[in-house]
Amino acid sequence: EPEVTQTPSHQVTQMGQEVILRCVPISNHLYFYWYRQILGQKVEFLVSFYNNEISEKSEIFDDQFSVERPDGSNFTLKIRSTKLEDSAMYFCASSTRDRGRDPHNEQFFGPGTRLTVL
Amino acid sequence: AQKITQTQPGMFVQEKEAVTLDCTYDTSDPSYGLFWYKQPSSGEMIFLIYQGSYDQQNATEGRYSLNFQKARKSANLVISASQLGDSAMYFCAMRERQAQNYGQNFVFGPGTRLSVLP
Repeated sequence: EPEVTQTPSHQVTQMGQEVILRCVPISNHLYFYWYRQILGQKVEFLVSFYNNEISEKSEIFDDQFSVERPDGSNFTLKIRSTKLEDSAMYFCASSTRDRGRDPHNEQFFGPGTRLTVL
Repeated sequence: AQKITQTQPGMFVQEKEAVTLDCTYDTSDPSYGLFWYKQPSSGEMIFLIYQGSYDQQNATEGRYSLNFQKARKSANLVISASQLGDSAMYFCAMRERQAQNYGQNFVFGPGTRLSVLP
């Protein structure tokens, strides 16, 4: 069964360093998402991506964050200068094209990357 | 205002018994989807069940069923015949249709930690 994959599973970095989190969405999916979950807290939306551009982003997704689909398979999240409060689990998700305009599509989540900023 | 409320931070249930996890939501959009995800201690997000706002019947998937009460804006998850492997965090999530937005992110509730006792 196809699945979303993410690498690395755990990333440790020093404050101020750049990190790139990688995701390979399910191959026929067109919509891609990043979420984060600070330890013990709820899952928060960061950004959605469709047709090679950001379609929506939350207030968390500031200028320190960027996303890219550098080729036909990868979807990356870059944090330019990490802060301590960026420590969290980062989930990538993907979904197929919505049927009509109904939001009735499941999102498939990857296993997550645990980012630890020291 | 919170879009998704899960009032039970933690729940206990005896193995083989049924348990209901509460979820209430807030939206003015007539078209939306409600989802439940399970997050075991390993961290991945596992899709369980989906309910569309226009669905007439309550959704069921194996041991999972969704008690959808649209007028009350509640979408409680019922797990029948609990198993030890059901011990996990459970998140209720909503996806609204927004006319101009094809990104359509999820909004997650704070989660309920379910512990199944032997």
